[in-house]
Amino acid sequence: DAGITQSPRYKITETGRQVTLMCHQTWSHSYMFWYRQDLGHGLRLIYYSAAADITDKGEVPDGYVVSRSKTENFPLTLESATRSQTSVYFCASTPGAEGTQYFGPGTRLLVL
Amino acid sequence: AQSVTQLGSHVSVSEGALVLLRCNYSSSVPPYLFWYVQYPNQGLQLLLKYTSAATLVKGINGFEAEFKKSETSFHLTKPSAHMSDAAEYFCAVGYSGYSTLTFGKGTMLLVSP
Repeated sequence: DAGITQSPRYKITETGRQVTLMCHQTWSHSYMFWYRQDLGHGLRLIYYSAAADITDKGEVPDGYVVSRSKTENFPLTLESATRSQTSVYFCASTPGAEGTQYFGPGTRLLVL
Repeated sequence: AQSVTQLGSHVSVSEGALVLLRCNYSSSVPPYLFWYVQYPNQGLQLLLKYTSAATLVKGINGFEAEFKKSETSFHLTKPSAHMSDAAEYFCAVGYSGYSTLTFGKGTMLLVSP
């Protein structure tokens, strides 16, 4: 019954450090997505994946790296965190194109 | 490129009053449209979805939305607001053959007693 989970839920890091946000879904959905939510900007797509080993850039990919070696996991890495990457990050999944996206609870990231 | 405009970053209503949240999209092809709700410190939950069947779509918690092609709109309504409806609402648009959605910037609904 877990659905889609994200870890950690809260993270504080320093500028220049590498940070990895985890996303795990138990539905075997093909598509997974990473968004960031910022005041005044709504949700913006960072990266998405159509299947294991297939990823593509979204609207704001700079400074982020993703991988998808297994269908159920879609980690997002900030290779060298910057203050502008302070945000709330949401992972989502959907079984197929045009499907409803189901969202995780989010990770609040603060970069000092 | 597809886009979504939500008119009003904040909407205030009294408990029991009509709720109307506006969403307009830009599209040259038939869209499919969503409304999501986000409660504080939570992820987004689906309220309702339009996929070219009935133009009036009923969702959870008494919400509904009407697709109007001529106006490129998909406004969200609820006849009588409840305190528990206070949340942020997002409209999103997608297209056939594409997995990604474009979200509006959100409208915060405030409900006063």
